Amino acid sequence: NAGVTQTPKFQVLKTGQSMTLQCAQDMNHEYMSWYRQDPGMGLRLIHYSVGAGITDQGEVPNGYNVSRSTTEDFPLRLLSAAPSQTSVYFCATRTGATNTEAFFGQGTRLTVV
Amino acid sequence: LAKTTQPISMDSYEGQEVNITCSHNNIATNDYITWYQQFPSQGPRFIIQGYKTKVTNEVASLFIPADRKSSTLSLPRVSLSDTAVYYCLVGAGGSYIPTFGRGTSLIVHP
Repeated sequence: NAGVTQTPKFQVLKTGQSMTLQCAQDMNHEYMSWYRQDPGMGLRLIHYSVGAGITDQGEVPNGYNVSRSTTEDFPLRLLSAAPSQTSVYFCATRTGATNTEAFFGQGTRLTVV
Repeated sequence: LAKTTQPISMDSYEGQEVNITCSHNNIATNDYITWYQQFPSQGPRFIIQGYKTKVTNEVASLFIPADRKSSTLSLPRVSLSDTAVYYCLVGAGGSYIPTFGRGTSLIVHP
């Protein structure tokens, strides 16, 4: 039981490049979300999904796209990377039941140069 | 979503009890209070959750007064490995997406 798996763990991009951060879960959780965390800051919500085929924007969605074609996967796409997107990205999942805890992946550290 | 306020940082020493208080003045009737812990270079992990009075598990205790406008996370006899950032979250319901503030950075000294 792997839980929440994020790949890659580290990535360096050049400005303007695009890439996809992967998030996969094996807990059959309906809810999945992406956060970014900048130094000394809390986590800010980028996008989230409440089930396959359903996505919505969080607090800081600009520059990112998501899709949810399956329950297991929730990829985050950077369309044209900018230095301001240098951050640590975390994927989280939880069930749709009331007051259940969220489970986080180990993070992807992204540097845009 | 109810806004939370907690200290930015705290210092303690090994073996002491640490209490971190979170204010959430506009908590809604159906909101629960949840605390997460985050170590450097790791994702947050759930510590404890409660609605009212006191909740205790193997890691911590959570004290919630009757008006529920604040809550206190209590860590008994902390060790160096308890050095982490602690987040207080308020929300409820099946559609709840956790929203994090800056949390409280706890540093435990030898």
